[in-house]
Amino acid sequence: AQSVTQLGSHVSVSEGALVLLRCNYSSSVPPYLFWYVQYPNQGLQLLLKYTSAATLVKGINGFEAEFKKSETSFHLTKPSAHMSDAAEYFCAVSDNAGNMLTFGGGTRLMVKP
Amino acid sequence: KAGVTQTPRYLIKTRGQQVTLSCSPISGHRSVSWYQQTPGQGLQFLFEYFSETQRNKGNFPGRFSGRQFSNSRSEMNVSTLELGDSALYLCASSLGSRVTEAFFGQGTRLTVV
Repeated sequence: AQSVTQLGSHVSVSEGALVLLRCNYSSSVPPYLFWYVQYPNQGLQLLLKYTSAATLVKGINGFEAEFKKSETSFHLTKPSAHMSDAAEYFCAVSDNAGNMLTFGGGTRLMVKP
Repeated sequence: KAGVTQTPRYLIKTRGQQVTLSCSPISGHRSVSWYQQTPGQGLQFLFEYFSETQRNKGNFPGRFSGRQFSNSRSEMNVSTLELGDSALYLCASSLGSRVTEAFFGQGTRLTVV
């Protein structure tokens, strides 16, 4: 079964600083990888997805992620944090059949003024 | 185009009762998945339906059940509620048979007292 690990349940950055949220998946390459964002009392919004077309994936709101098979990683980055980026972020992988998602534990991003 | 709609948004139930949650997917989407989100366990997969068939089920007791109707709307039912069932229940819909892009509703917050 697929598994996902997000290192750091809480990450704090200053406004304008680089955002780096870490995600590692289990050793077998999943068909799809995703990053979602969740604001308080809301559902999940898709930031970006990897579907094997390109290893560097660009998403909404200036986020991007790079798929690195050798490191089994799919870290999320943003060059310059905004206050509005404060939220919880989830990395997810699909199963081999592609009909369910397994989520990491989530990383709460705090942005200091 | 309307997003995924979950009703009700909030529910308070008593231990031992049963509850039914509803999910209307995006028009044209045929796959509906359900997830439970709690502070302790994070996001956990409940089940997934495609064209009225349950294709996958997570590791939850039989008190949790669901179904999908011919118009792709889905319901999930929890019988004999326990305090530990208090959670945010999220529904996601996808266009085809593989979860290449799942769109989430805002969730139903269930509190069991």
